[in-house]
Amino acid sequence: GAVVSQHPSRVICKSGTSVKIECRSLDFQATTMFWYRQFPKQSLMLMATSNEGSKATYEQGVEKDKFLINHASLTLSTLTVTSAHPEDSSFYICSASLGARSSYNEQFFGPGTRLTVL
Amino acid sequence: AQSVTQLDSHVSVSEGTPVLLRCNYSSSYSPSLFWYVQHPNKGLQLLLKYTSAATLVKGINGFEAEFKKSETSFHLTKPSAHMSDAAEYFCVVSDGGFKTIFGAGTRLFVKA
Repeated sequence: GAVVSQHPSRVICKSGTSVKIECRSLDFQATTMFWYRQFPKQSLMLMATSNEGSKATYEQGVEKDKFLINHASLTLSTLTVTSAHPEDSSFYICSASLGARSSYNEQFFGPGTRLTVL
Repeated sequence: AQSVTQLDSHVSVSEGTPVLLRCNYSSSYSPSLFWYVQHPNKGLQLLLKYTSAATLVKGINGFEAEFKKSETSFHLTKPSAHMSDAAEYFCVVSDGGFKTIFGAGTRLFVKA
């Protein structure tokens, strides 16, 4: 149980285009979903937290107009990188939490999406 | 405020020898603590978690960790390393508000 998928697993795009990444909880309803960014050989940095039906909460330094997050249902959150630039190239990982239904704050991670902007 | 420090950026062991990956944390709350493993270009897999129950936590693949409040540590151990254990390991601390902090990671190398 508690499987999270991401699509696509890998995407290459041209500079200036927008890219949408989907994160789905396959066998549970996720009250809260998280988006992380990971640069090569570095740790994960939390970008934003999204709760179903409400606006995402972005971490300091993350541009909300550049990284659009939508959490329209309890099983789907999307991250759209708008007007992508080469410096946005990274590994993006989402995770989902059971929220208050869980006695602890475990997050279930997706497999990640490798974004390369040319 | 929370923080987590993984004391070694990389650890190298020989196959069949013990593994020790060190993690220290600070938290204003009773924290939840996790260890995750990440293989190259893959997502994160949960190894084990501490949630204020038993202080010695057993996880998958023979890993275990001991929560020591007096030392604010949550070190990850395994009695005998296997080649397949070579990966990046992350220690994670989380408070009651789902704020999650990742350690910088420890790269484990396993020599044949």
